[in-house]
Amino acid sequence: QVTLKESGPVLVKPTETLTLTCTVSGFSLSNARMGVSWIRQPPGKALEWLAHIFSNDEKSYSTSLKSRLTISKDTSKSQVVLTMTNMDPVDTATYYCARLYCGGDCYWDYWGQGTLVTVSS
Amino acid sequence: QSVLTQPPSASGTPGQRVTISCSGSSSNIGSNTVNWYQQLPGTAPKLLIYSNNQRPSGVPDRFSGSKSGTSASLAISGLQSEDEADYYCAAWDDSLRWVFGGGTKLTVL
Repeated sequence: QVTLKESGPVLVKPTETLTLTCTVSGFSLSNARMGVSWIRQPPGKALEWLAHIFSNDEKSYSTSLKSRLTISKDTSKSQVVLTMTNMDPVDTATYYCARLYCGGDCYWDYWGQGTLVTVSS
Repeated sequence: QSVLTQPPSASGTPGQRVTISCSGSSSNIGSNTVNWYQQLPGTAPKLLIYSNNQRPSGVPDRFSGSKSGTSASLAISGLQSEDEADYYCAAWDDSLRWVFGGGTKLTVL
C-alpha cells in the first residue's frame, strides 16, 4: 500500500524558511521509475507544481520559484524534503507531495493528504 | 494565470454527459501527454486519467479523456452527484516544468 505523508510547521513568519518533509511508504525512493513532487494549492486557487526529484537525484524546479526552492531526499529514511526560503503571505497554501510514476509517460498516481502552511507574523 | 486554460465552471444534470476542455500549446499538450485529476471538496487530488485517455484501476468507465493537437478534453457520461468536484488537467512542458490548468468546478444540478 503506497502512502505519502507531509509534515512540517503549520505557521511560519514572513522571511522565514519553510522546511517540509514527505515520508513515503509502499515504494522505494531508489526505484528508477519513480520520483516525488511537491505541489501546492493556495486557498480557493489552482494547483501549482513546485519541484520534483528522482531516484538518480535528478531535480527540476518551478521556473518562478527556483531561486527559493531546494528539494532533496534521504532514501534510507524514505523521505523527501523541500525547503522554501523567504516565505511571504502569498505562499500560504496547502502543500502536497505526490509520487511521480514514469513508466513511459509520467503522472502523479498517489498523493499525500496535504499540509496547510500559513505565513503570517 | 495558469499555463493551461480550462473553463472555470461546468454543470450538468444527473445522467447527462459533460465535457471539460483544456487548452495548451505546442510545448506542453502539443508534445506531451495530458493527465486529469479530480479533487473532491476538502480532499487531495486524485488521478482520474493519465496518458491522455488511460483510466487507473478503480476509475469508472464513465470518465474518458482525449487529446487533439494542443487541446485535451475530459468527458463524464452518466453524471452522478458524487462527480461534483474540481477537475484539473496537467502536462509536462518542454521548458522542463509541469503545468496545470486553472481547474474547472463541476456542479451537478
